[in-house]
Amino acid sequence: GAVVSQHPSWVICKSGTSVKIECRSLDFQATTMFWYRQFPKQSLMLMATSNEGSKATYEQGVEKDKFLINHASLTLSTLTVTSAHPEDSSFYICSARDIRGETEAFFGQGTRLTVV
Amino acid sequence: LAKTTQPISMDSYEGQEVNITCSHNNIATNDYITWYQQFPSQGPRFIIQGYKTKVTNEVASLFIPADRKSSTLSLPRVSLSDTAVYYCLVGANQGGKLIFGQGTELSVKP
Repeated sequence: GAVVSQHPSWVICKSGTSVKIECRSLDFQATTMFWYRQFPKQSLMLMATSNEGSKATYEQGVEKDKFLINHASLTLSTLTVTSAHPEDSSFYICSARDIRGETEAFFGQGTRLTVV
Repeated sequence: LAKTTQPISMDSYEGQEVNITCSHNNIATNDYITWYQQFPSQGPRFIIQGYKTKVTNEVASLFIPADRKSSTLSLPRVSLSDTAVYYCLVGANQGGKLIFGQGTELSVKP
């Protein structure tokens, strides 16, 4: 199947700093990518939909100024957690769908963010 | 977006067939049903997708009744490595967003 790669797999940062997470579709193009957050023992929560060449669409309750999303190309979307705090510590996962309209979505391996 | 309801957890033993049922009473005409598997600290992995009737691939079968208000994921002869959380999702394709429900935590015992 198609591959979606996230980088880094894990990151530890100090409170108040910003962290950028990359999501790449390696063998297909994606006009739309999705960012999720998952806390321990909970399901994935959709944070935002990243659209290539336009502004991201955020889900209700997600601060767009805190979670900056950029989708500069058909194979790359980035999520920047700005002024991170310990409560932002979570597992962040991206997914993407093939531009050709294939039916399934592919997920990255996730990024474990720990804010200390 | 159609909401899904699944059992929170299930237990099974190695070699048994496991059936996980998902309810999606307000599924829309253009919605597909997709199942994902997730291991701890990993992203979800696609298992199977269907629209109606029965779909089978090398790892699972998906049964969808005529009214499409529910679906059943069937895992034949599970092994310990099938211990994971299984999510049923309902949504339109062509870029439509996928909303995850609570999932079913399957525990396979020796």
